[in-house]
Amino acid sequence: ETGVTQTPRHLVMGMTNKKSLKCEQHLGHNAMYWYKQSAKKPLELMFVYSLEERVENNSVPSRFSPECPNSSHLFLHLHTLQPEDSALYLCASSQDGGQATDTQYFGPGTRLTVL
Amino acid sequence: AQSVAQPEDQVNVAEGNPLTVKCTYSVSGNPYLFWYVQYPNRGLQFLLKYITGDNLVKGSYGFEAEFNKSQTSFHLKKPSALVSDSALYFCAVRGPSGGSYIPTFGRGTSLIVHP
Repeated sequence: ETGVTQTPRHLVMGMTNKKSLKCEQHLGHNAMYWYKQSAKKPLELMFVYSLEERVENNSVPSRFSPECPNSSHLFLHLHTLQPEDSALYLCASSQDGGQATDTQYFGPGTRLTVL
Repeated sequence: AQSVAQPEDQVNVAEGNPLTVKCTYSVSGNPYLFWYVQYPNRGLQFLLKYITGDNLVKGSYGFEAEFNKSQTSFHLKKPSALVSDSALYFCAVRGPSGGSYIPTFGRGTSLIVHP
């Protein structure tokens, strides 16, 4: 295991629901990331937090809302999602998000299905 | 803007034969290149990275990658493939973005090793 856990592993929700994804890292890292993985598409970086401050937001729709209360925990709050938001959502952490040589460690992902 | 291309959606190889998974990149400044592997229902796992120095980088599970600056390539190789190497492989590059180094991933290449 990589030291990054994600819950839940699977989530099915309706378009009017509100849910949250949780990520926790036990590696003592300072940076955390949310990615969206869809079939046949490149991994899409959604959000980056470094030392609990957001440093990157790749024009993600406002129906996705991240929260990083401390360097070990990262949440992704979901509301009024669309069916095209169905995907695997991956969390990652790294020692220092600002360094070019930084290696990322990924969680197993949450498989999200929006009905 | 930086980019990564993995020109093959799928690579098929017989067990025991050498394998190559291709990756080309575009980035301003020095390239920092990574390979990750994803097994079914798992997150991405780090294999190896090129930062500087020797163009041949050795990584986990017997994999290696060759950095070629003139061809802007970073192909992943293994001398003798195993059935257990069957997985999804991602190439990534980290380049400068607003004072930080944000990773960009390719679409992934599915490696299938036949017994």
